Amino acid sequence: AQSVAQPEDQVNVAEGNPLTVKCTYSVSGNPYLFWYVQYPNRGLQFLLKYITGDNLVKGSYGFEAEFNKSQTSFHLKKPSALVSDSALYFCAVSNTGGGNKLTFGTGTQLKVEL
Amino acid sequence: DTAVSQTPKYLVTQMGNDKSIKCEQNLGHDTMYWYKQDSKKFLKIMFSYNNKELIINETVPNRFSPKSPDKAHLNLHINSLELGDSAVYFCASKGLDNEQFFGPGTRLTVL
Repeated sequence: AQSVAQPEDQVNVAEGNPLTVKCTYSVSGNPYLFWYVQYPNRGLQFLLKYITGDNLVKGSYGFEAEFNKSQTSFHLKKPSALVSDSALYFCAVSNTGGGNKLTFGTGTQLKVEL
Repeated sequence: DTAVSQTPKYLVTQMGNDKSIKCEQNLGHDTMYWYKQDSKKFLKIMFSYNNKELIINETVPNRFSPKSPDKAHLNLHINSLELGDSAVYFCASKGLDNEQFFGPGTRLTVL
């Protein structure tokens, strides 16, 4: 069975400061890893993914994430947070074998304040 | 040019009624999904279809019946609605490398 843990329900950061949203995963085989963002009353928007290759992946809106196989982590990062980044962030995993089933974490609410 | 669309956006109904939610994608993808997001924002997969064939059924009550008339459409019919069915239902389709594209959601409220 595959699973995702997002240990923080909420992350608060001041605008202009770097942000990190944590994610660890468990999956058999090689993982496909994803970050999605959900704004209030909206659907999920894709931010970035790791399939293979460089451990540091860059995505939309200046976000990036680092795949760490030994720590089974895929933390989301941004060098300088904006108030408009405030939203709910989901990490998700699927394996390369099955390929069809995405398992989501419980989400982390990011709040960026002036 | 909406990629994944759902109708209706809001659905308010009484317990015991039967209702349907429709989903369409114009991305040419073969695989589509239904997810349920509860009041705590937890997202759980319900069903997946690949080219009109059911491939994932995640222990969902049989009051929920997905139907895929073609690979661009995946509808969700719910019989005998219960209070616990109140949630936001998201449709999605899968592109290359398992990246999923989500619809805007349907907020179902059962009274």
